[in-house]
Amino acid sequence: AQKITQTQPGMFVQEKEAVTLDCTYDTSDQSYGLFWYKQPSSGEMIFLIYQGSYDEQNATEGRYSLNFQKARKSANLVISASQLGDSAMYFCAMREVNTGNQFYFGTGTSLTVIP
Amino acid sequence: GAVVSQHPSRVICKSGTSVKIECRSLDFQATTMFWYRQFPKQSLMLMATSNEGSKATYEQGVEKDKFLINHASLTLSTLTVTSAHPEDSSFYICSAPDSWERNNEQFFGPGTRLTVL
Repeated sequence: AQKITQTQPGMFVQEKEAVTLDCTYDTSDQSYGLFWYKQPSSGEMIFLIYQGSYDEQNATEGRYSLNFQKARKSANLVISASQLGDSAMYFCAMREVNTGNQFYFGTGTSLTVIP
Repeated sequence: GAVVSQHPSRVICKSGTSVKIECRSLDFQATTMFWYRQFPKQSLMLMATSNEGSKATYEQGVEKDKFLINHASLTLSTLTVTSAHPEDSSFYICSAPDSWERNNEQFFGPGTRLTVL
């Protein structure tokens, strides 16, 4: 079974609008971490936001927020006030404590911001 | 945040040659580093876990003899693609976790784009 599922291969958003990128995960562990990374065309992986499984509040980092719904095993990324520079691939990832530091990545969502 | 470097950033080689890619943690020690491979418009695929002072752990389907990994020190891991062929052309990315006390983040290198002619 897929550990991380991203069901949106591509998304479009108007500049200055908000967009939600979906991510669901599968784990039987109680302790895990969820991450979102941005990968522009240059290839570098840019860390955006982190949510720990025991964190009660949704994580926020500037224009990024993570809508964490533990019971539904979803960790959607919300980008507010989209900018042209937000156009990139976005990957959701999970790390389970019991499997050490290994990351499981989703298939990614390609976001295009339209002027 | 912590910095991970990779060298070279791009390499073009002839089929049959070997290529070495270096991954360095610049401001922290990494007993573990990870090597990923990424094809165009696809996700990162974990190839192997590099362990300082011991043998690397390879994921299923990854040829150990083709992708040689050496974790020479707490700040350096190398991936050598031996007898490279065009199908080995890909984007290779390394990563390293900094410490358990942080948010468990992994720090990624900028990647190496390998093209085998």
